[in-house]
Amino acid sequence: AQSVTQLDSQVPVFEEAPVELRCNYSSSVSVYLFWYVQYPNQGLQLLLKYLSGSTLVKSINGFEAEFNKSQTSFHLRKPSVHISDTAEYFCAVSARGSASKIIFGSGTRLSIRP
Amino acid sequence: GAGVSQTPSNKVTEKGKYVELRCDPISGHTALYWYRQSLGQGPEFLIYFQGTGAADDSGLPNDRFFAVRPEGSVSTLKIQRTERGDSAVYLCASSPAGGKTDTQYFGPGTRLTVL
Repeated sequence: AQSVTQLDSQVPVFEEAPVELRCNYSSSVSVYLFWYVQYPNQGLQLLLKYLSGSTLVKSINGFEAEFNKSQTSFHLRKPSVHISDTAEYFCAVSARGSASKIIFGSGTRLSIRP
Repeated sequence: GAGVSQTPSNKVTEKGKYVELRCDPISGHTALYWYRQSLGQGPEFLIYFQGTGAADDSGLPNDRFFAVRPEGSVSTLKIQRTERGDSAVYLCASSPAGGKTDTQYFGPGTRLTVL
């Protein structure tokens, strides 16, 4: 079975500051890793995903995450945040060898202060 | 094009009643998923359909929960004898083929409140 831990339930940062949202996972098999984002009053959207190959993956809006197998982590980072990044971010995992269900973490609420 | 839609957006019911929640996936998507999101938690997997059949129903909490997808498109999640603990946002997602690397596209959810 897989599990995901997001240690920070809330992260407040100032606009244009860097941010890191932490994610650790547990699994006995190889996994795919995801970050989903939920903007206020909107549905969940895929932000980025790691399937294979380069361990550093990037989104179109400046976020990036690095798969670290030895530390079982997939932290999300952005060097300079914008007010529009205010949202809840969910780290998630699915097992490579089984069905397509996704296991989600409990989420991190990112709030940006002007 | 249209995304995943769910109806109703909000449902308030009394303990013990029966409810149905509907999901319309993106046209052409063969895979459909139901998740449940309780307050302060991430989505929790319930069931996955590939076409008309349930490929994985391991997340359904008990036999009060049942889901169907008779024609391989619209799906209905049915909850019998609702309990207060069933209160949550029920999310539906679809993907093109249900492959392990396919992106799942989520609907806006149905907020169920059991009084």
